[in-house]
This record gives sequence, C-alpha cells and structure tokens, in this order.
Amino acid sequence: EVQLVESGGGLVQPGGSLRLSCAASGFTFSSYEMNWVRQAPGKGLEWVSYISSSGSTIYYADSVKGRFTISRDNAKNSLYLQMNSLRAEDTAVYYCARSFEGSYYSYWGQGTLVTVSS
Amino acid sequence: EIVLTQSPATLSLSPGERATLSCRASQSVSSYLAWYQQKPGQAPRLLIYDASNRATGIPARFSGSGSGTDFTLTISSLEPEDFAVYYCQQRSNWPPGMYTFGQGTKLEIK
Repeated sequence: EVQLVESGGGLVQPGGSLRLSCAASGFTFSSYEMNWVRQAPGKGLEWVSYISSSGSTIYYADSVKGRFTISRDNAKNSLYLQMNSLRAEDTAVYYCARSFEGSYYSYWGQGTLVTVSS
Repeated sequence: EIVLTQSPATLSLSPGERATLSCRASQSVSSYLAWYQQKPGQAPRLLIYDASNRATGIPARFSGSGSGTDFTLTISSLEPEDFAVYYCQQRSNWPPGMYTFGQGTKLEIK
C-alpha cells in the first residue's frame, strides 16, 4: 500500500524557517517524481514544487521561488521542503504528492499544517 | 497561465440524483485534465485523468468527458459519500509550474 506521511509543520514567525519531510513507503520511491502542493485554510489547491525521480530537475511556483528548496533522499525514501523567509501567505496545509503520468497527482499524504504568524 | 473556471460554485442535490460539474479552461488544454475529490479534513483523491479515464479503484458512477476548453464530471447516482469538494486540474504545458487547479465545486446534500 502506498503511504506518504508528512511531518515538520507548526507555528513559525514571519521571516522564520521550517523543514517539512515526507516519508514514503509501499512503492519504489526512487522511480517516481514527487511534488509539494499546498492549501490555504478554506481555499483551493496550489502546486508548490516538483522534483524528478533522480532529483536532477526541480521546479518551483513563482510564489515560493528563492525561498523554498525541494530535495529528496532516495536511500531514505524521503522528500523534503526547506522553507525560509516565511510569510503569512505561506500559511497552509502542505501535502506531498506522487506524480502520475508525469503531471497529475495520484497519491497524497495527509498533509502537515504550517502557520506563519507572530 | 491557463485559468480553470469551475461551475457552479455550490451544487445542492439529494442522494440518488445525477450530478454534473463543469470546468472551463481559458485556452485549450486538449484532453489533459484531471478531477479530484476532497472531503473535509482529507487529502484530495484523483478520480479522473486525461479527461475521461477513471483512476484505479474509482467507482463506475464517476465519469469525465470533454476536450479543448470544456469539461464535465458526471456522477450518475449520488451516494452519501460523494458529497465533497471537486477540483479540476490541467497539465497542458510543461513545466509543472504551468499546471493549474480550478477553484472547486462544493457538492452538498440538499
């Protein structure tokens, strides 16, 4: 069974940093592209970042470019999102999601809530 | 950026009725459109991809249609567990930053 389990969310002050993790199991993690997608409270879905299976190709949404860094450790079956210079508008539930057909999201974690507030 | 507009914003129906949800793209996305279901407190679930293909394990009462700019998700006979928010998503242009979601349609019990 495919499982994605996020962790690392919490309350942080504006300008602060957090590192999110996503532990994957039930599939060959190193074979799949992965993403972070977020959802602000009561709002819709917003793609945040993409990483290829090897980690060699990475993309970011304009809203987080230069502040967030996606990475992965295939030996540990883990995906990460380093978030720096956090803003109030980054407050959201952050999901890790496995790519399907290169560009849809077939499996999602349960999400981890990031709250940026003073 | 391709904008996806979903309608209606809220749809009120009863179990057993047929639901028709719409997603319109600001420019053609060919058949590169997916539908997701999200229940309160849960992650989204992929229902339909490439406009009309059901994802693994999705019941046959869910069907998708359309191409170009106009797409429809149909639920043939609503079950109690189908009341949720539905999002469409397009993948017309690489890279992933160009993929966008609609704003969602809330399907509520009448």
